[in-house]
Amino acid sequence: QIQLQESGPGLVRPSETLSLTCTVSGGSITSSADSWGWIRQSPEKGLEWIGTIFYSGTTSYNPSLKSRVTISLDTSTNQFSLQLTSVTAADTAVYYCARRGLGLYWGQGMLVTVSS
Amino acid sequence: DIQMTQSPSTLSASIGDRVTITCRASQSISRWLAWYQQKPGKAPKLLIYKASSLESGVPSRFSGSGSGTEFTLTINSLQPDDFATYYCQEYNSYSSYSFGQGTKLEIK
Repeated sequence: QIQLQESGPGLVRPSETLSLTCTVSGGSITSSADSWGWIRQSPEKGLEWIGTIFYSGTTSYNPSLKSRVTISLDTSTNQFSLQLTSVTAADTAVYYCARRGLGLYWGQGMLVTVSS
Repeated sequence: DIQMTQSPSTLSASIGDRVTITCRASQSISRWLAWYQQKPGKAPKLLIYKASSLESGVPSRFSGSGSGTEFTLTINSLQPDDFATYYCQEYNSYSSYSFGQGTKLEIK
């Protein structure tokens, strides 16, 4: 059974870069059957898709975040990562990594707070 | 962008009741719709994919139907464990998704 686990700082200063890593266990991120993504959840915006990366390294980003987002794969560690630049308080949310198979299968989530 | 609208936002029901939640898409998504259950402090859990296919391990009292722009999630004979928030999600595009705003199912 494939499992996902988010990791990274829980507090980020305004204007800095949010960096999170998702570690995948029980399966390979190079599987062509799956894609990998980041989703965040806040009371203000609900569930918001951030972006998707495929085994080939091809990415797709939410247009509203595209200018600030980078998602990348590290096949040597079976991880994928999120970077979100120039964060503000509006980026405070629970961040989830997820695998798209038949539907979405989620990591446990991680609260990231943007505050000075 | 495809917009997903769920109704109702809140639903009060009793143990043993049958409830239905509706999700409407702003354009046709064929049957590319999933339903999730989320409990406080937990990640969403996949219940239904491709509009009506039951995820492995999910009780058969959960069912989904619909196609195009209108979809429903039905829960038969509500159990105490079913009180949670439910979300629909479209995946008409292979690379992007949109979610409904959620339906909170409360005990009456």
